[in-house]
Amino acid sequence: EVQLVETGGGLIQPGGSLRLSCAASGFSFSSNYMSWVRQAPGKGLEWVSVIYTGGDSYIADSVRGRFTISRDNSKNTLYLQMNSLRAEDTAVYYCARDTRFGVFDYWGQGTLVTVSS
Amino acid sequence: DIVMTQSPDSLAVSLGERATINCKSSQTVLYSSTNKNYLAWYQQKPGQPPKLVIYWASTRESGVPDRFSGSGSGTDFTLTISSLQAEDVAVYYCQQYYNTPRTFGQGTKVEIK
Repeated sequence: EVQLVETGGGLIQPGGSLRLSCAASGFSFSSNYMSWVRQAPGKGLEWVSVIYTGGDSYIADSVRGRFTISRDNSKNTLYLQMNSLRAEDTAVYYCARDTRFGVFDYWGQGTLVTVSS
Repeated sequence: DIVMTQSPDSLAVSLGERATINCKSSQTVLYSSTNKNYLAWYQQKPGQPPKLVIYWASTRESGVPDRFSGSGSGTDFTLTISSLQAEDVAVYYCQQYYNTPRTFGQGTKVEIK
């Protein structure tokens, strides 16, 4: 059974940093693209970043220069390093398995990041 | 970036009746070399993560009831629930994967009338 479990969310002050983790199981993690998608409270879905099997990545303009996606295939874990956080980054952050075509076929339950003073 | 626009923002349908959601992309998501539309639909119930329902515009994900169907090509797409059930109450999102960044529609809330 595919499982994705996000951790690392919480309350953080503007300008602060957080690192989210997503532990994957039930599939060949190293063979799959992985993405982060976020959802602000009461709002729609916003794709944040993708990391490919070779380690290359792509990141949305809204977080470029502040967020970094990475992966540790030895630990079957996906990460999102978030720096210089802003109030508008407040959201539930989901990790999702990203098929090679760009469809998100499995999602975690999400972790809430709240940026507030 | 490709902008995805859904209509309506919400709709209320009686149990057993048809629900239709539209999605329009700002540019084609039909890849000529594969003749496939890079368009997916997701269902999100309250307090839950999204769930993949349809991909390639019309292919149902495994385990999705056949009352869900997708259609359309190029820039105009439709998700149809042929006979609405209580468990179908959710927000539905379309998403293009023609290029990166992947972009979603704003969502359509489906309720019971």
